[in-house]
This record gives sequence, structure tokens and C-alpha cells, in this order.
Amino acid sequence: RKEVEQDPGPFNVPEGATVAFNCTYSNSASQSFFWYRQDCRKEPKLLMSVYSSGNEDGRFTAQLNRASQYISLLIRDSKLSDSATYLCVVKRTLTGTYKYIFGTGTRLKVLA
Amino acid sequence: NAGVTQTPKFRVLKTGQSMTLLCAQDMNHEYMYWYRQDPGMGLRLIHYSVGEGTTAKGEVPDGYNVSRLKKQNFLLGLESAAPSQTSVYFCASRDRGNGEAFFGQGTRLTVV
Repeated sequence: RKEVEQDPGPFNVPEGATVAFNCTYSNSASQSFFWYRQDCRKEPKLLMSVYSSGNEDGRFTAQLNRASQYISLLIRDSKLSDSATYLCVVKRTLTGTYKYIFGTGTRLKVLA
Repeated sequence: NAGVTQTPKFRVLKTGQSMTLLCAQDMNHEYMYWYRQDPGMGLRLIHYSVGEGTTAKGEVPDGYNVSRLKKQNFLLGLESAAPSQTSVYFCASRDRGNGEAFFGQGTRLTVV
């Protein structure tokens, strides 16, 4: 079983739709949580951090449930430019530093 | 700001050849990482460094070596390339604390 699990998709949604991605992690020692966005053939870029209290950045809302070891990302009013792969990332301690564990990503295609 | 720069961006190697991938960052970050990304596998950590002159193994280090002689550079070497090393390689750097990891543009390596 992978340490960070995501539904690979693809999620095909029309413009303006609301879409939700889920992610589960298996290591309870995980300390921090993030969503990264990766465009086709590009590098991953930080979309947002995820906090226990939940956090919002414009059309994006991230939530964390530590008890269930579950992370979510909600995108409202989807735009064509939201089409990308969304990577769930968990950070935990590694000797001398931290280790980022990446999910395999969920592909989103927003259709006109 | 250049951020994290990887060279080369593309390379085709024959089995048994060696090569070095260069990662350079201009953000004065302490921590640097090398990942490989394969379909269905997500990003996997090859080696990492917590500072100049230090390196450590990640989860898939076999067949690779690294060096961090200067703080801004992190080199990844393939001693004797194998087709299983065909992948997209990403370098990342991060500052101390809970800082965001910044990625280079990636190197697409094909071993034939």
C-alpha cells in the first residue's frame, strides 16, 4: 500500500463545476500537508498548504482530518486553466531534514 | 529570479553510459533533493542533502550517486545507465523550517 493514496482520475468536469479530490495517508507521524499542482510536462508547484482548521485561497479550499488521516481539495467554479494534475504531499521527519511523500496525483480536465 | 535550474533538460543515453545531471539554486537554500517521476509511481526520493558537503540516501538510491560540493549545486550521477533509469528527474530545494519546496523544470532521460 502506498503511503499517500489518491484517485488517479481523470476527472472530466465542465467549466463552472465544483470538483473535490481526496487523499489518504498511512503514517500517523506525518506533520504537514500540501497540495501541489503539476501541469503537463512541467514541474510541481505549491498550490496551498493544508491546515487542521481548513483553509481557503480564492476558489480553492483544503481540509485535513488527522483522525481519519484524510486530506481534501475542493475547487469551485472550475476554469479551463485549472486543468492539471493535483499532487497530495505529506511531510514527515527524515534524518536531518524532512521527507516529502508524494501521491501519484489526480488528473483534472476542465471542459469548455 | 532563476530559482532552481536543471541541466540538461533532455538526454538520450545508451545502456552503460554515464552522465551527470546538474541542479543549481540561487535562493541560498540549505536542503536539496533529487526525485524521479514515473507513471503511476509519483515522485520518489533518490538522494538528498541537508547542507554543503552532506548527502544521504532516499528511497531509491541504487545506481545513482550525488555530490554537494557547493551549497548552490547538487549533482546527480548515473554511473552505468540502465533502461530502468528512463524517467523524468526533478531537483528541489527548500529553506529551513516549514518552507515550500521549489522544483526545477525537470530532466527527461531516456536510456536505450
